[in-house]
Amino acid sequence: EDKVVQSPLSLVVHEGDTVTLNCSYEVTNFRSLLWYKQEKKAPTFLFMLTSSGIEKKSGRLSSILDKKELFSILNITATQTGDSAVYLCALVEYGNKLVFGAGTILRVKS
Amino acid sequence: DAGITQSPRYKITETGRQVTLMCHQTWSHSYMFWYRQDLGHGLRLIYYSAAADITDKGEVPDGYVVSRSKTENFPLTLESATRSQTSVYFCASSLLRGGFDTGELFFGEGSRLTVL
Repeated sequence: EDKVVQSPLSLVVHEGDTVTLNCSYEVTNFRSLLWYKQEKKAPTFLFMLTSSGIEKKSGRLSSILDKKELFSILNITATQTGDSAVYLCALVEYGNKLVFGAGTILRVKS
Repeated sequence: DAGITQSPRYKITETGRQVTLMCHQTWSHSYMFWYRQDLGHGLRLIYYSAAADITDKGEVPDGYVVSRSKTENFPLTLESATRSQTSVYFCASSLLRGGFDTGELFFGEGSRLTVL
């Protein structure tokens, strides 16, 4: 019934590892997909994806959208303890309404 | 200071009391939203507003009331608080720039509400 499903729910890795976070969704008609990082306070924006197959990159983080298979992934390479956070994905529906997934809790151990 | 601010940041109340959480933004963003965040559920939309005097229900509106008499303010009222409304509440706003809609939300720092 959830429109946006994130996996895994939580993940523990060691510094230097590479992680892949998944976001699958059911809606086929949407404006864009967003990724957020939430540490202790408010979510902060990471990426907006609108087109399938085009990778967005920012430092060690990258993300891609697959509109055919209805999913997006967020990759983090060479993880650091500062990457520990909850990662949220959200669909932007028409009408500018966002539907969030439950999030993936990432913990990076030193 | 420019931005989006919420108050109070922390509130403890009792079952049955009325509580209002305030949200103020200085960007003149058209859209404003109220979300609640609970473990295992992520962020769930309570109400949103596309402009002053225009509001609409989100996913979990029961027990909440909103108003938007001015573009910059979007208060959320719990008319008779229940324990199930214990949560962290986030207000957010979004810019709609002509034909280009980024969909990006700017969040306030959250209001942690405990209902005893």
